[in-house]
Amino acid sequence: NAGVTQTPKFQVLKTGQSMTLQCAQDMNHEYMSWYRQDPGMGLRLIHYSVGAGITDQGEVPNGYNVSRSTTEDFPLRLLSAAPSQTSVYFCASGQSLHTQYFGPGTRLTVL
Amino acid sequence: AQKVTQAQTEISVVEKEDVTLDCVYETRDTTYYLFWYKQPPSGELVFLIRRNSFDEQNEISGRYSWNFQKSTSSFNFTITASQVVDSAVYFCALSEARGGANSKLTFGKGITLSVRP
Repeated sequence: NAGVTQTPKFQVLKTGQSMTLQCAQDMNHEYMSWYRQDPGMGLRLIHYSVGAGITDQGEVPNGYNVSRSTTEDFPLRLLSAAPSQTSVYFCASGQSLHTQYFGPGTRLTVL
Repeated sequence: AQKVTQAQTEISVVEKEDVTLDCVYETRDTTYYLFWYKQPPSGELVFLIRRNSFDEQNEISGRYSWNFQKSTSSFNFTITASQVVDSAVYFCALSEARGGANSKLTFGKGITLSVRP
């Protein structure tokens, strides 16, 4: 099993650009989520999904969209990147929201 | 609302010293889970432990031990005989067990541990 995979590992965007962070898991987990990590802030939940076709907002959802068309994939879309979205993004999956396996992270810089 | 406080931001010790990382939490629920994660310099998040609120037994795993005290809402983590490889950021997290969005992980801000040779 590859576990939770995220692509890309690093990304630099200009303000206003859009992009999609990819996340995939091969453990047949129902629950998937996206967190962002900022210095001194810990990790904060952006969006989560409790199964294919079902998504909901977390603590800091503004500026991000998600969809869950398959159990395996949970992409995170930045519609119009802003410098405040410079962060490290972690995708996670699990059999429940409170037991999550984390991916390796994507480091995003918005100029 | 749930909250996790890690009051220590940075700790520096010399190798072989014991070190305790503090975690205090707030929740209105009687059923919840507590976690510790390690984030080494390479950046990945490594799961260390999950503790159910009904299980107050302390746990030991090698050089690691955890002290869970509901009376003080604390879940402290002790590393015995620290090693350079223990240098990392350590996160404490809380999850309520009600389901849905309430089951999300709420993280503390993390403690940066530096172990000097």
